[in-house]
Amino acid sequence: KQEVTQIPAALSVPEGENLVLNCSFTDSAIYNLQWFRQDPGKGLTSLLLIQSSQREQTSGRLNASLDKSSGRSTLYIAASQPGDSATYLCAVSRGNTPLVFGKGTRLSVIA
Amino acid sequence: ETGVTQSPTHLIKTRGQQVTLRCSSQSGHNTVSWYQQALGQGPQFIFQYYREEENGRGNFPPRFSGLQFPNYSSELNVNALELDDSALYLCASSPPGTGVNTEAFFGQGTRLTVV
Repeated sequence: KQEVTQIPAALSVPEGENLVLNCSFTDSAIYNLQWFRQDPGKGLTSLLLIQSSQREQTSGRLNASLDKSSGRSTLYIAASQPGDSATYLCAVSRGNTPLVFGKGTRLSVIA
Repeated sequence: ETGVTQSPTHLIKTRGQQVTLRCSSQSGHNTVSWYQQALGQGPQFIFQYYREEENGRGNFPPRFSGLQFPNYSSELNVNALELDDSALYLCASSPPGTGVNTEAFFGQGTRLTVV
């Protein structure tokens, strides 16, 4: 059974700092990994999708890497801003099968 | 291109009642999945519909049921509501195919409170 773990559970950083969020999964037989952002009480916004054949994806200040063999992914956020404050979730799947989520990392960026 | 929309956004029900939540999938997407997210937890898979047929189910009792319509919109029905059913219910749609690039797109969720 696939299990996804995210560390840390919560993180508070000053504005401008670069930061890394971690995600690990137990079964490396995945097709893709997605990172999502969730604002309090809201739905999920897809940030990045990494296919299993890829090592990383970039979008603006966000960079996500995937090491499938070791079951790890990181989300790097450069020059953090207060507007980045949210919960970040990672999820893995095998094609069009259900996503298996971690519990998320709650990020607070202090101005 | 319209995104995934869910209705209603908030709902309060009494224990024992029944509820129906609705989801319109993103244009061109024929697969809809439903997830339950309790406070402080990651979303948990309820079931998935593909071309109007249930195509996978998570560890939820039969009182959780669903439908998908010809236009690929979907409903989630919950009977005999329990207090533990209070959660954010999320709908996700994804495009045709089972390959690697099946990115899921989520709606804004329905917050259900059972009292």
